[in-house]
Amino acid sequence: GDSVTQMEGPVTLSEEAFLTINCTYTATGYPSLFWYVQYPGEGLQLLLKATKADDKGSNKGFEATYRKETTSFHLEKGSVQVSDSAVYFCAPLDSSYKLIFGSGTRLLVRP
Amino acid sequence: DTGVSQDPRHKITKRGQNVTFRCDPISEHNRLYWYRQTLGQGPEFLTYFQNEAQLEKSRLLSDRFSAERPKGSFSTLEIQRTEQGDSAMYLCASSRGTAQETQYFGPGTRLLVL
Repeated sequence: GDSVTQMEGPVTLSEEAFLTINCTYTATGYPSLFWYVQYPGEGLQLLLKATKADDKGSNKGFEATYRKETTSFHLEKGSVQVSDSAVYFCAPLDSSYKLIFGSGTRLLVRP
Repeated sequence: DTGVSQDPRHKITKRGQNVTFRCDPISEHNRLYWYRQTLGQGPEFLTYFQNEAQLEKSRLLSDRFSAERPKGSFSTLEIQRTEQGDSAMYLCASSRGTAQETQYFGPGTRLLVL
């Protein structure tokens, strides 16, 4: 079945550092790809998405590009803030419309 | 949109008791999903509805679990004879029902089975 692999956390960065969280997936066809974020004590929020190859999703300074050839959807941000501290989930949408989540990557940004 | 709401937000129960959770999706969203998230893990799909029809159930959903969506609006998830292994966050999400669309999540119901 479909699956996703995320880099293990926690990822600890200083404020204004560059962030990359790797995500690779296996899926039938070319699924839509999503990044969700879970802030402490809150529910899952959509961060960004891409629906076809070479699409770039972006939001709040975060970006991810749909790479069909490497089946990857790595999350990047040029300058992280303390408020970005959260757990980030990569999730392809499978052929029956359910999201397949990775185990999540915890990001801790220090002042 | 008022967002997806779930009730209760927290539930503590004793092993063997039955519990029921409610999810109210965003209005006019015709797909509704249930996921379960255990500590330190990503959410796992349980089941989903297209309007009132339950279209898919995960093998994670044992016979003790039942979900309904009468009239295609709110949904309930019932767990009978709860076990300690049922302790988790139960998440509900909804979407419009078009291909490739975004699922919007509620705040979840955290269940603790003692």
